Amino acid sequence: DVKVTQSSRYLVKRTGEKVFLECVQDMDHENMFWYRQDPGLGLRLIYFSYDVKMKEKGDIPEGYSVSREKKERFSLILESASTNQTSMYLCASSLDGNQPQHFGDGTRLSIL
Amino acid sequence: ELKVEQNPLFLSMQEGKNYTIYCNYSTTSDRLYWYRQDPGKSLESLFVLLSNGAVKQEGRLMASLDTKARLSTLHITAAVHDLSATYFCAGQNTGNQFYFGTGTSLTVIP
Repeated sequence: DVKVTQSSRYLVKRTGEKVFLECVQDMDHENMFWYRQDPGLGLRLIYFSYDVKMKEKGDIPEGYSVSREKKERFSLILESASTNQTSMYLCASSLDGNQPQHFGDGTRLSIL
Repeated sequence: ELKVEQNPLFLSMQEGKNYTIYCNYSTTSDRLYWYRQDPGKSLESLFVLLSNGAVKQEGRLMASLDTKARLSTLHITAAVHDLSATYFCAGQNTGNQFYFGTGTSLTVIP
C-alpha cells in the first residue's frame, strides 16, 4: 500500500513565522501535490511537482513556496505566515496520469 | 482551467433509499476520479473512470462517466449508515493537474 506521511497532524504558529510542512511518500511516485482544504471551497491546489527539483504553480500559490530535493519528499513553505493561511493542508502523490492520487492524513495548521 | 461542479452539496437520505450525486465539468477532462473523505480523515480513492461510458461498481456505489455530456454520476443503492461521508469528484487535464469539486456531504439517517 502507498504511504503518504505528513510530518504533523496539528500545528500552531504565529503570524510572521516561517512554517515548513513536510510530506514523504514511499512508492517512488513521480508526481506530488500540496492542497489546502477549506469549508465550502473543496480542495485547492497550491503547488505540484512532477519530478525532482521541478515545481509548478497551482491555483493559489501566493504566500507559499515548495521544495523537492529528493523524489520522495515534497515540502511546503509558508514564507511569512498569516492568519488567512489557517487551514487543513493535504499532501498527495500519484504514479502517473492514469492513477488516482494517494493522500496523507493532513496537517491542520492554525496561525495565531 | 477545468472547473468541476458537484450537486447537491449536502444530502440527507434515509437508509435503504437510492440517490445520485452529480459531477459536471467545464472542459475536456481525460479522466474522472471519485474520492471519499470521512470526518477528520484524509481522502480515499474510490473510482477511476478513464473513458466515455466507463462504469465502475464497488458494493453499494456505482460511478459512471459520459464525456460527451461532461458528466459523471455516483449512484448510491440502498444506503446504509456507513456510507455517511463527504464525496469528491475530480477531473484531470493533460498536464496531470487535478481539479476537485467542492464535495457532497452525505448523511444517511437510520
